[in-house]
Amino acid sequence: QVQLVESGGGVVQPGRSLRLSCAASGFTFSDYAMHWVRQTPGKGLEWVAIISQDGSNKYYADSMKGRFSISRDNSKNTLYLQINSLRGEDTAVYYCAREFRVGGTLIGYWGRGTLVTVSP
Amino acid sequence: SYELTQPPSVSVSPGQTARITCSGDVLPKQYVYWYQQKPGQAPVLVIYKDTERPSGIPERFSGSSSGTTVTLTISGVQAEDEADYYCQSADTSATYCVFGGGTKLTVL
Repeated sequence: QVQLVESGGGVVQPGRSLRLSCAASGFTFSDYAMHWVRQTPGKGLEWVAIISQDGSNKYYADSMKGRFSISRDNSKNTLYLQINSLRGEDTAVYYCAREFRVGGTLIGYWGRGTLVTVSP
Repeated sequence: SYELTQPPSVSVSPGQTARITCSGDVLPKQYVYWYQQKPGQAPVLVIYKDTERPSGIPERFSGSSSGTTVTLTISGVQAEDEADYYCQSADTSATYCVFGGGTKLTVL
């Protein structure tokens, strides 16, 4: 079965950087595009970015361009999200997610999320 | 960028039918996926490609589409269906994704 396990969250000071990881298993990782989605406390889902199967194409939500960087290592079945110059408004649960079907783009499977708290 | 619009809340009594809409200009050209999210849990896919139901999702969940509006229908609502529901779609080149603002379904 599809398993996505995020890690790397925690309490971080404003202005610092953080790299989140997502370990994938139960499917052929290199066959699927992958997403990051975040959810601020008590708020809705916010799409962050998508990366193609081979990592050659990356797209970001307009509000995420510049400080966020999505990447993947298909040899390690791992997805990453680098966040630089963290701000209080980046405090959120960050979810790793997989497209439902190959080439379908939209999300079918979600990890349980990792909480990032930006605080002095 | 573009937006998907959902009503903030819908309330129904047990056994009734709940309908949650998602509206957006791109929807005649792009599919919508629907997710259910209960407090403290990750979202779960309940409808994909506007009308298809993944395996394991109860038959009371269904979807329909008409023009710029897609609808999630839950027939015979049960207490366990109380949750937040989100729609998701993509732009026409499938390079940009967006979620609706979410709808809180309350079972009275």
